[in-house]
Amino acid sequence: AQSVAQPEDQVNVAEGNPLTVKCTYSVSGNPYLFWYVQYPNRGLQFLLKYITGDNLVKGSYGFEAEFNKSQTSFHLKKPSALVSDSALYFCAVRATSGAGSYQLTFGKGTKLSVIP
Amino acid sequence: EAQVTQNPRYLITVTGKKLTVTCSQNMNHEYMSWYRQDPGLGLRQIYYSMNVEVTDKGDVPEGYKVSRKEKRNFPLILESPSPNQTSLYFCASSRTGSGNTIYFGEGSWLTVV
Repeated sequence: AQSVAQPEDQVNVAEGNPLTVKCTYSVSGNPYLFWYVQYPNRGLQFLLKYITGDNLVKGSYGFEAEFNKSQTSFHLKKPSALVSDSALYFCAVRATSGAGSYQLTFGKGTKLSVIP
Repeated sequence: EAQVTQNPRYLITVTGKKLTVTCSQNMNHEYMSWYRQDPGLGLRQIYYSMNVEVTDKGDVPEGYKVSRKEKRNFPLILESPSPNQTSLYFCASSRTGSGNTIYFGEGSWLTVV
């Protein structure tokens, strides 16, 4: 079965500092990897995804993520955090084929707080 | 505007009273799915559908039913709701192909008392 681990329940960072939200995954075969963000009382918004190609993926709102196959990681990063980035972030994995390709499996989420 | 629309957004109901949460998408997507979100557990898939009349169980299907009679609609049915089904529910859709982005609705807060 595929799975995602987000080892930090909460990440605190000062405004203007770089931020990292960690994610590791387990899947049979090659992965498709996604990051979503959830603002209070809102649905999930797509940030970025890794399908193939360049390991560094750029997404919305200045976020980027680096796919590392050997470490099975897909950490989310941003060079300079904004207070408005404060939200709940979810990493998700989907297999490229087989039964796991029918399901987007999520981590438990990381709450990001950017301190003014 | 491309969107996934869920109704109701907020509902308080009583144990055992059947309810349906509707979901509709206007993107002509083949794949649709329902998730529930619970604190500390992230999102877990309830059911998914690859196309009209094709549905299958996700990780937590107990107590739920779905149907896919039209491509755009994928209602979630709770035949006899129980308090442990109190949760935030999300409907989602995408084009066929596991690399395609899945788009989510705004969520439906369901409380069963």
